[in-house]
Amino acid sequence: NAGVTQTPKFQVLKTGQSMTLQCAQDMNHNSMYWYRQDPGMGLRLIYYSASEGTTDKGEVPNGYNVSRLNKREFSLRLESAAPSQTSVYFCASSLLAGENDEQFFGPGTRLTVL
Amino acid sequence: AQSVTQLDSQVPVFEEAPVELRCNYSSSVSVYLFWYVQYPNQGLQLLLKYLSGSTLVKGINGFEAEFNKSQTSFHLRKPSVHISDTAEYFCAVSGNAGGTSYGKLTFGQGTILTVHP
Repeated sequence: NAGVTQTPKFQVLKTGQSMTLQCAQDMNHNSMYWYRQDPGMGLRLIYYSASEGTTDKGEVPNGYNVSRLNKREFSLRLESAAPSQTSVYFCASSLLAGENDEQFFGPGTRLTVL
Repeated sequence: AQSVTQLDSQVPVFEEAPVELRCNYSSSVSVYLFWYVQYPNQGLQLLLKYLSGSTLVKGINGFEAEFNKSQTSFHLRKPSVHISDTAEYFCAVSGNAGGTSYGKLTFGQGTILTVHP
């Protein structure tokens, strides 16, 4: 099992460009999440999908959109990138969306917006 | 609303010394508590979690944590660290609030543990 995979690993964008971060899991999990990690701020939830066909905003959703393509895949889109979106992005999944469920994380995507 | 405070941003320690990484939380509901570790250039891995029962929780790699409800703390400890324990450690809390079915996971700011030879 590969667990949670993310592509790309690194990306440099210019302000105003768009891109989609891809995430896939092979653990048959129902719930998936997108976080961003910034120095000294821990991880902050951008969007989550409690189950296939549903998505909801997290703590910092502005400037992002998501798509739960199927049970395995959950993508994050930046329509018009801004320097404030320079960050490391992590995708995670859990069996259920319950408060006691362990979340499994991908290796991350390092995004720089110039 | 939930919040997590990790009291130390960086903790340097010598190999084979004991270490404690401190975590305090606030929440208006019952909580579940987690410690995750992030090795350089990797994603997060679960070290241990407290759901209920015994307040002393043992995790992987010799780490343990104690849930103290009265002090709202969940400090992480290891009696003897190794060079390979150098990483960033995150405390996180979740709890069902507002009648939703989703338990939001709130992370602390992280503590960088550096183990010196």
